Amino acid sequence: AQSVTQLGSHVSVSEGALVLLRCNYSSSVPPYLFWYVQYPNQGLQLLLKYTSAATLVKGINGFEAEFKKSETSFHLTKPSAHMSDAAEYFCAVSDGFGNEKLTFGTGTRLTIIP
Amino acid sequence: DTGVSQNPRHKITKRGQNVTFRCDPISEHNRLYWYRQTLGQGPEFLTYFQNEAQLEKSRLLSDRFSAERPKGSFSTLEIQRTEQGDSAMYLCASSSVGPGDIQYFGAGTRLSVL
Repeated sequence: AQSVTQLGSHVSVSEGALVLLRCNYSSSVPPYLFWYVQYPNQGLQLLLKYTSAATLVKGINGFEAEFKKSETSFHLTKPSAHMSDAAEYFCAVSDGFGNEKLTFGTGTRLTIIP
Repeated sequence: DTGVSQNPRHKITKRGQNVTFRCDPISEHNRLYWYRQTLGQGPEFLTYFQNEAQLEKSRLLSDRFSAERPKGSFSTLEIQRTEQGDSAMYLCASSSVGPGDIQYFGAGTRLSVL
């Protein structure tokens, strides 16, 4: 069974500071990994996905994530936080081998301090 | 491409009533997923379709829940005899057929059971 653990349900950073949101996964097969963002009262929007082509994945809005198999991690980073980054972020995993459903973490709420 | 559309956006009902939600996926997508999201949690998988075939159902989907996708286009999710514990955001997503294909989410239907 697959699972995702997001460390830190709430993260606060100052505007302009580094954003680091942590995600660790468990999967019995090489995984597909995703980061989604959710703004209040909206659905989920894809930030980026990992599909084994490259370990460093660049996404929208300046976000990127690095797949580290040895650490079973897929942490999300952004060099300089912007006020518009305040939202809920979800890490998700699927195995893609006839089991396409996404298993999500519990989410991390990111607050940007002016 | 108008994205994934869900209706209604909000539904308030009394305990014991039946409710039905509709999801219109991105037109060229074969797969359609339903997820449920409660406050402070990540989305949880309920069921998914490939064309009109329902391929997987979560054990979260009790006998009171039924989903259909009769012509392989839009889908409906019905909850019979609603309970207060059914209060949640119900999210629909669609994707193409392929491992690791991106799931695009609708804005969701928020159900409140009084």
